[in-house]
Amino acid sequence: AQSVAQPEDQVNVAEGNPLTVKCTYSVSGNPYLFWYVQYPNRGLQFLLKYITGDNLVKGSYGFEAEFNKSQTSFHLKKPSALVSDSALYFCAVRDGPYNTDKLIFGTGTRLQVFP
Amino acid sequence: ETGVTQSPTHLIKTRGQQVTLRCSSQSGHNTVSWYQQALGQGPQFIFQYYREEENGRGNFPPRFSGLQFPNYSSELNVNALELDDSALYLCASSFRQLQETQYFGPGTRLLVL
Repeated sequence: AQSVAQPEDQVNVAEGNPLTVKCTYSVSGNPYLFWYVQYPNRGLQFLLKYITGDNLVKGSYGFEAEFNKSQTSFHLKKPSALVSDSALYFCAVRDGPYNTDKLIFGTGTRLQVFP
Repeated sequence: ETGVTQSPTHLIKTRGQQVTLRCSSQSGHNTVSWYQQALGQGPQFIFQYYREEENGRGNFPPRFSGLQFPNYSSELNVNALELDDSALYLCASSFRQLQETQYFGPGTRLLVL
């Protein structure tokens, strides 16, 4: 079965420093991977996705993610964190291109950026 | 902001009652998925609708049901509400192709007392 794991419940980083939010996946076949962000009392906002191609994916708000097949990871990164990046981040894997395209989410990582 | 809207934003019900949540998909999208997000957890897939038919279901009992209308909007119905049904219910719309992205609405927060 497809699954993702987010090993850190919370990540703390100072404003201006680089940030990394970790995600590992387990899939059969080619992975379709996503990152979403959730602000308080809001729905999920799409940040970026990996389907195929370049292992470094660029997304919204200066975020990027690196797909690493050998390590089965898809870590979210940003070169310089902003206080406004503080939110809950979810990694998700899509259940293949030919099945119902449901998303399977990780448990989420809370990012706290301190001024 | 996406073009996905949900109503109502908040709802309070008592155990045993029934509830209907509504979702309007983003323009050009023809697929709607529903997710349940309990407090402190990631969203869990309930089911998906495409061309007005259920196209896959997660591990939820039959008292969770849905509809999709010709304009691609959708409803989620929950009968015989239980306390554990208290959660944020998220609707996501997408276009049915290989590399589609699901775009989420703001959610409906349901509290069952």
